Amino acid sequence: EVKLVESGGGLVQPGGSLRLSCAASGFSFSGYEMNWFRQAPGQGLDWVAYISYGSTNIYYADSVKGRFTISRDNAKNSLYLQMNSLRAEDTAVYYCARKSGSRSFDYWGQGTLVTVSS
Amino acid sequence: DIQMTQSPSTLSASVGDRVTITCRASQSINSWLAWYQQKPGKAPKLLIYEASSLETEVPSRFSGSGSGTEFTLTISSLQPDDFATYYCQQYNTYLYTFGQGTKLEIK
Repeated sequence: EVKLVESGGGLVQPGGSLRLSCAASGFSFSGYEMNWFRQAPGQGLDWVAYISYGSTNIYYADSVKGRFTISRDNAKNSLYLQMNSLRAEDTAVYYCARKSGSRSFDYWGQGTLVTVSS
Repeated sequence: DIQMTQSPSTLSASVGDRVTITCRASQSINSWLAWYQQKPGKAPKLLIYEASSLETEVPSRFSGSGSGTEFTLTISSLQPDDFATYYCQQYNTYLYTFGQGTKLEIK
């Protein structure tokens, strides 16, 4: 069974940092592109960051570029999102999702809530 | 960036109704469009990929069509479990943009 489990969310002050993790199981993690998405309370879905199979290609949404860093450890079947200089507008549920080539994003984690507030 | 415009924002319908949601891209995305269903407190669930391909185990009452810039999601006969929010998403480029969502409500 394919599973993606996020962790690391919580309450952080503006300007602070947080590192999210996504533990993958049930599939060959190194064979899939991975992404982070987020959803602010009561709002729609936004893409945050992309990482290719071997971390060669990485892309970010303009809203997080320079502040967030996506990474992966294929040996540990894990995806990460290092979030620095957090702002109130970064408050959201963060989801990791697997991209299955032409089949778009077929598996998503349950999400982890990040709240940026003083 | 490619903008995705979804309509309507809210749709009221009854069990058994046929409903259609429309999604328009600001430029051609070929058939790189997906549809997701999301229920409160849950992750999005993939329904349709490549504009018209039904994801495994998704009921056949869901169907998608379109290419280029105009796309539709149709539910042929609404079931109680279908009342949720639906999003379209383009994956033609790495800025994987979503429509703003359509909340499907019980009339």
